[in-house]
Amino acid sequence: NAGVTQTPKFQVLKTGQSMTLQCAQDMNHNSMYWYRQDPGMGLRLIYYSASEGTTDKGEVPNGYNVSRLNKREFSLRLESAAPSQTSVYFCASSEKGARGYEQYFGPGTRLTVT
Amino acid sequence: GNSVTQMEGPVTLSEEAFLTINCTYTATGYPSLFWYVQYPGEGLQLLLKATKADDKGSNKGFEATYRKETTSFHLEKGSVQVSDSAVYFCALFYNQGGKLIFGQGTELSVKP
Repeated sequence: NAGVTQTPKFQVLKTGQSMTLQCAQDMNHNSMYWYRQDPGMGLRLIYYSASEGTTDKGEVPNGYNVSRLNKREFSLRLESAAPSQTSVYFCASSEKGARGYEQYFGPGTRLTVT
Repeated sequence: GNSVTQMEGPVTLSEEAFLTINCTYTATGYPSLFWYVQYPGEGLQLLLKATKADDKGSNKGFEATYRKETTSFHLEKGSVQVSDSAVYFCALFYNQGGKLIFGQGTELSVKP
């Protein structure tokens, strides 16, 4: 099992460029998440998908769009990148445990917007 | 609203020292509580969890007890190793939102 995989690992964009971050999981989980991690702020939820075919906004959705392509894949798109979107992006997936969800994280994508 | 507060880092300890990282939470109802660890250059990994009051989660020598009366879930380890150097995140899960809420993270550095 690869778990949660993310591509690319690193990316540099110029302001105004667009890109899509890819995420896939092979654990047959229903729920998938996109977070961003910034120094001193922990992880903040951008979007999540509770199940295939559904997506919902998290804490910081502005400037992002998502697509739940199928049960395995959940992509994050930046339509017009801004320097404020420089961050490390993590994808996660989960399946409900006995009480509460355990989330499994990918290795992250480090994005710099100049 | 629901929130998690952790002690600020960085925390620097010598090998074999005792570790405590404080975590307190604010939540309605009865959340599940988690500690995640992030090693340099990697994603987060679940370290331990507790799903109800007075539960103790433990893993790799780390422990945390869910204290509802003090709304706390402090992480402890009796003797840290250099390999424990990482960032530690406390988090809560509340059923109504279906999402994890993370603290800001505490960086731990263990010196030989």
